[in-house]
Formats: sequence, structure tokens, C-alpha cells
Amino acid sequence: DQQVKQNSPSLSVQEGRISILNCDYTNSMFDYFLWYKKYPAEGPTFLISISSIKDKNEDGRFTVFLNKSAKHLSLHIVPSQPGDSAVYFCAASAGGNTGKLIFGQGTTLQVKP
Amino acid sequence: DGGITQSPKYLFRKEGQNVTLSCEQNLNHDAMYWYRQDPGQGLRLIYYSQIVNDFQKGDIAEGYSVSREKKESFPLTVTSAQKNPTAFYLCASSKTGPFYEQYFGPGTRLTVT
Repeated sequence: DQQVKQNSPSLSVQEGRISILNCDYTNSMFDYFLWYKKYPAEGPTFLISISSIKDKNEDGRFTVFLNKSAKHLSLHIVPSQPGDSAVYFCAASAGGNTGKLIFGQGTTLQVKP
Repeated sequence: DGGITQSPKYLFRKEGQNVTLSCEQNLNHDAMYWYRQDPGQGLRLIYYSQIVNDFQKGDIAEGYSVSREKKESFPLTVTSAQKNPTAFYLCASSKTGPFYEQYFGPGTRLTVT
């Protein structure tokens, strides 16, 4: 049972435009959400996070939006750059002290020059 | 420079052999995690540890074993009982508690033939 889903395996955008990556979840107990960026054969790098008490968090070109009623979050990258081309994973935590994360399948973003 | 190291980067083993993957961190994190990534899939949790000498099974612990004798180290043994051991293995660490991101090592690509 996939509790965190990224339904788009891939996304292609033009340099300078907005990239929107989507993520859906099923468990209403999730209270902390994260986005990671991953290059091939490397470990994921933390990008940005949001707790369930917020609906938006911004860090430079990256903004994460959370819609709890729809159990949906999205990552916006503006403007997109060729160096943003990577696999993006969303992850969710049910809180508590375990720190356990549930990851989506990932979306491959390609930013074309 | 603080971080997580995993060695080796690439590992080849014959079927039926146990193999141990190394993970060391100098971030002074209490919690450590092992994930597995297969092509087109997200990261799946194998084992995690929140404190020295204690660890818990994740979602896919069968065929794996771990130890946590030191805060800095969390080695993973892939045993011959693991049916599909060929994968990309990632180690991570974090502070203990909710709302902390996990930091990942560079990963080890294990190939078993």
C-alpha cells in the first residue's frame, strides 16, 4: 500500500519556466513533509520541508505548498535551471520520535536549456 | 567537514555470500537509517536505530541484519537469505525526534551474481 505517491514519473520544462512537482498521501497522521533531490548514483539531498501546521514554505527558488484537505503537496521551482535536472522525492513523517520517513517513487525532472 | 560516508561505492559478490556495507557519520546524530533503492522506485526502509545498542526493523528487514555498537557507525549486513540483494543502498542519519530532516550518504551499489 503506497502511502506516498508521485504519480508523474517524469516532467520536462524549459529553462526559466516554473517546474511543479506533485505528491499525494493517504495517511492523515502524517505531519511533516520533505522534498529531496537526487542525482544518479548519489545520495538524496534535502531541499525543503513543511510541517502540517503550515500551508506554504519558501526557500529561495523553492516553494512547497501543502493542502491537507486534499492530502496533496507540491514543490514549485522558479525559475527552473538546467542544474535542477534530477530525481525529486517527496517524503512524509508521522511524527513521534522514530523519525521514520515514507518516500514516494520519485519524479525525474528535466530542465531544457 | 561533517557528513556521512559509505564504503565501498561499488561492491560485487557471489550469490550465497554475506556482505557488510559500511556507514559512518560525524554529525553527532543519534538516529541512523538504512534504505534500499531499486530502479523506478522510492527509498524503502530496511532498519533504523535511534540510539546505540538499539535498532528496529523497517519495512523490508528480511534477509538483512545491523548492529549499532557506536554512535558513529551503523553497518548493514546483506545475508544470503536476501532474495534480491542487488540494489543501491543508502545510509542516513538525523537528530532524534520529529521534524528533523535526514542526511544521506553517497550510497553503495551492490551487485550479486
